[in-house]
Amino acid sequence: GEDVEQSLFLSVREGDSSVINCTYTDSSSTYLYWYKQEPGAGLQLLTYIFSNMDMKQDQRLTVLLNKKDKHLSLRIADTQTGDSAIYFCAETFTGGGNKLTFGTGTQLKVEL
Amino acid sequence: NAGVTQTPKFQVLKTGQSMTLQCAQDMNHEYMSWYRQDPGMGLRLIHYSVGAGITDQGEVPNGYNVSRSTTEDFPLRLLSAAPSQTSVYFCASSIRDEITEAFFGQGTRLTVV
Repeated sequence: GEDVEQSLFLSVREGDSSVINCTYTDSSSTYLYWYKQEPGAGLQLLTYIFSNMDMKQDQRLTVLLNKKDKHLSLRIADTQTGDSAIYFCAETFTGGGNKLTFGTGTQLKVEL
Repeated sequence: NAGVTQTPKFQVLKTGQSMTLQCAQDMNHEYMSWYRQDPGMGLRLIHYSVGAGITDQGEVPNGYNVSRSTTEDFPLRLLSAAPSQTSVYFCASSIRDEITEAFFGQGTRLTVV
């Protein structure tokens, strides 16, 4: 089966950039996602990238995809205390019917 | 809009009891799914449905049953609860397309004692 791995914790100071990393093993993955989970809440989609793209930028968020190394990253510029949450990467593949395989999640803590 | 609604939010069960976790969506989404979230393991797919009357197993289906009699509802049944089923359960729905957003409910925190 597919494995999607993330580091468990990341701590940054407010105003700094955060980089959350994710590695995956399934080369047939077609779509890769970043979801955010705030305490006591469900998951919200932040952004996604197609496997034929290298980079996607959306306001403070930059997603980088290295297909050769099967490595995905999410950079949050000017990190704010409201960005404190758990971030999940997820993958699916063509014909997968939106069955998502999630990473273990990275808890981001933003300190003043 | 209500989106995806899960009930109850919290539940404590004794080992061997059965119960049904409810999930309803009002977005006319074809695709619905159930995940469980455990510390350090992310979310794992339990069961999913691509439309009314159609269900299939995910990664961790044992001990759970589902049915999809309507587009709106997708209940998850625990047949005989075990402590290993202590978890947070999330229901999600989406249009049946890989690139669309999956909408998640707020979760049900289940403890089996």
